[in-house]
Amino acid sequence: QQQVKQSPQSLIVQKGGISIINCAYENTAFDYFPWYQQFPGKGPALLIAIRPDVSEKKEGRFTISFNKSAKQFSLHIMDSQPGDSATYFCAASRNTGNQFYFGTGTSLTVIP
Amino acid sequence: DAGVIQSPRHEVTEMGQEVTLRCKPISGHNSLFWYRQTMMRGLELLIYFNNNVPIDDSGMPEDRFSAKMPNASFSTLKIQPSEPRDSAVYFCASSRGAEGELFFGEGSRLTVL
Repeated sequence: QQQVKQSPQSLIVQKGGISIINCAYENTAFDYFPWYQQFPGKGPALLIAIRPDVSEKKEGRFTISFNKSAKQFSLHIMDSQPGDSATYFCAASRNTGNQFYFGTGTSLTVIP
Repeated sequence: DAGVIQSPRHEVTEMGQEVTLRCKPISGHNSLFWYRQTMMRGLELLIYFNNNVPIDDSGMPEDRFSAKMPNASFSTLKIQPSEPRDSAVYFCASSRGAEGELFFGEGSRLTVL
């Protein structure tokens, strides 16, 4: 059973455009929602994370939007750059359980 | 800090052989996770440890897989006997308990012929 559902599977965006990746979850006990970025041949690395007490978090060109009632959250990459081309994973966890559930990943390609 | 260290980075073996993957977590981290990544299934949690104790191994595919954490600085994932469908990239990750951030190693790419 997929605890976190992610879409789209792949995404192609023009340089300078906005990339949007969506995730949905079922377990209302989740209280930590990170996004991980993975380049080929490397392990995933934390990009940005949010807790459900806020609806948005922004770090540079990366923004997480969080909708607690809909149990959805999304990653927005503004002014997308070719260097952003990577696979992005959303995840969810409960601090008490310390177990992370990952989405299936989105392969982002930013065309120059 | 050296980060999470995994070995070997690449392993090619024949069906039926034993495979042992190794992981050294970041010093001071008390949680350790083993993940498997494939194109079809993405990142799957196999098992995780808190303070060297296995907490949840429900993701371990079958009895051919076993994991140990004999001390806070070392863990192994063993597959015996290996099968072609075990071919994947296996990641080890560690975290400092409730702080939440997972730090991943660079992975061990396993190919079983």
